[in-house]
Amino acid sequence: GENVEQHPSTLSVQEGDSAVIKCTYSDSASNYFPWYKQELGKRPQLIIDIRSNVGEKKDQRIAVTLNKTAKHFSLHITETQPEDSAVYFCAASRRGGNKLTFGTGTQLKVEL
Amino acid sequence: NAGVTQTPKFQVLKTGQSMTLQCAQDMNHNSMYWYRQDPGMGLRLIYYSASEGTTDKGEVPNGYNVSRLNKREFSLRLESAAPSQTSVYFCASTNGDSVQPQHFGDGTRLSIL
Repeated sequence: GENVEQHPSTLSVQEGDSAVIKCTYSDSASNYFPWYKQELGKRPQLIIDIRSNVGEKKDQRIAVTLNKTAKHFSLHITETQPEDSAVYFCAASRRGGNKLTFGTGTQLKVEL
Repeated sequence: NAGVTQTPKFQVLKTGQSMTLQCAQDMNHNSMYWYRQDPGMGLRLIYYSASEGTTDKGEVPNGYNVSRLNKREFSLRLESAAPSQTSVYFCASTNGDSVQPQHFGDGTRLSIL
């Protein structure tokens, strides 16, 4: 089955700096890669996703890049703000399937 | 439009007790999922239902059973609770297409003493 590895497990940045979280996946048939943000005590919420027919997608301060050859994808947050502090999860889903496999999460802390 | 609703929000059980976690969605989604979330382990799939009338095991199904009661509702049952099942449980749903996002409920925090 699919295996998704996520790094780092914790990340601390200064407000205004950029943050990068990386994930690798094992199943070459995977074609959908969402990112979820989970604030303390809350539900995971989708912040951005990318499908395998594109290499990069941006939404304001958030971007995701995908390298299908290397089987890795990354989340980039620019101009970080305190409200970006949360746990971020990457996930992958294979073509024709209906299950998501999640990474183990990254605790992002944005310090003032 | 409530999305995905889970009940109860909190529960404390004694070892050996049974209980059912309830989940309902109002988005007319075909697929529904149960996850457990433990510190440092991410979200692990317990069971899922790709469509009404079908259920399948996920990564960590032991000790659990599920019922897809109808298209809206998907319940998770612990027949004989164990301390190792102390966790936060999330229900999610999607329209079943492999490239569509899952929508999560608010979770059930379950403690087993």
